[in-house]
Amino acid sequence: QKEVEQNSGPLSVPEGAIASLNCTYSDRGSQSFFWYRQYSGKSPELIMFIYSNGDKEDGRFTAQLNKASQYVSLLIRDSQPSDSATYLCAVNFNDYKLSFGAGTTVTVRA
Amino acid sequence: DGGITQSPKYLFRKEGQNVTLSCEQNLNHDAMYWYRQDPGQGLRLIYYSQIVNDFQKGDIAEGYSVSREKKESFPLTVTSAQKNPTAFYLCASSIPGRVARTGELFFGEGSRLTVL
Repeated sequence: QKEVEQNSGPLSVPEGAIASLNCTYSDRGSQSFFWYRQYSGKSPELIMFIYSNGDKEDGRFTAQLNKASQYVSLLIRDSQPSDSATYLCAVNFNDYKLSFGAGTTVTVRA
Repeated sequence: DGGITQSPKYLFRKEGQNVTLSCEQNLNHDAMYWYRQDPGQGLRLIYYSQIVNDFQKGDIAEGYSVSREKKESFPLTVTSAQKNPTAFYLCASSIPGRVARTGELFFGEGSRLTVL
């Protein structure tokens, strides 16, 4: 079974610090990688996607991809209490669907 | 406003009963999906449909059934054969093929099913 693995956390960081989230995936053929944010009791929302090796920055968020190591990460800089949520890593294994990791719960301490 | 509407938001079921969760979208998307989420776990795909009158099993289809008679609607029935149905159910839609490139899945607000 094709898998997406994340550390479940919780990850607790002080306000203003960098939160670092990691994700590994099993299928070397995967081309697209996504990070979703899910607040408690709510549905997920897409915050980042990345296709190419290296870094992709969007505001306070940076996604990093290393296909050789089958590893994708998300950095949240200047963490805010509003960033407290569960972050889901998702990977496409074919053209039609995504597979999701279990999520990492982040708590930002004021 | 375009979007996905799931109902009911909360549902309680006695063991042995079938229940149907509704999912309606007015985004004109061909592709629709049902996911299940358990505490501390990610989303697991139950069924998906790329076009009207066609649907495919996902990773955990046992004990569930779906239909896709209209483009706008993709109801999920949780049957009595599903041994542990208590979970948060999410319906989503997308433009076919686009989700693999952009991750653009439009989610409903979810239905929380509790078996008593």
